[in-house]
Amino acid sequence: GAGVSQSPSNKVTEKGKDVELRCDPISGHTALYWYRQSLGQGLEFLIYFQGNSAPDKSGLPSDRFSAERTGGSVSTLTIQRTQQEDSAVYLCASSPKVGTGGGKLFFGSGTQLSVL
Amino acid sequence: DQQVKQNSPSLSVQEGRISILNCDYTNSMFDYFLWYKKYPAEGPTFLISISSIKDKNEDGRFTVFLNKSAKHLSLHIVPSQPGDSAVYFCAASARDYKLSFGAGTTVTVRA
Repeated sequence: GAGVSQSPSNKVTEKGKDVELRCDPISGHTALYWYRQSLGQGLEFLIYFQGNSAPDKSGLPSDRFSAERTGGSVSTLTIQRTQQEDSAVYLCASSPKVGTGGGKLFFGSGTQLSVL
Repeated sequence: DQQVKQNSPSLSVQEGRISILNCDYTNSMFDYFLWYKKYPAEGPTFLISISSIKDKNEDGRFTVFLNKSAKHLSLHIVPSQPGDSAVYFCAASARDYKLSFGAGTTVTVRA
């Protein structure tokens, strides 16, 4: 596709359940990011993938969160045993440039996660 | 710890007038600054950027000003148009790939 694709666009789950969020970056983009935006907050960095390098997981808020990127393309963010504070919009972004000076990110439309 | 702050959550401006959005940062290592625009139900889209070696960058109706000594940047939109109504995020990075974002300012342009 032409842009970053995320699915599902909305996800409602019960506390304690696991969820998987998917991101399909722009073809050819080597860098992939996950951010989340909680209500009234800025975008919070979660994880960064660059090619075959080890991902930067420093933003993941707890060990319930994990992410993988298969074949250098599609990425899945998994949240285990969801809690109400996990409710947020989860945004995926990709970038064509190796990270220097931040660069311009291309964002998907996000997944609105609601944990009841 | 919010390293990038947008202290005005909202701004209302009349069509044709100037919109001024402000952003402050605390990390003196930041050397690249960006503004993103976000419409409802869409992801943020890149608007304009500036590196720390400059104090001004202009692109059409959009100008970003950087005051390094004050750790402050601003975005000017002149003239404001109804299509500019959106949430604007300020972002910054320090020679790496992690962008730190502000909480956003919602701009409403009144006809």
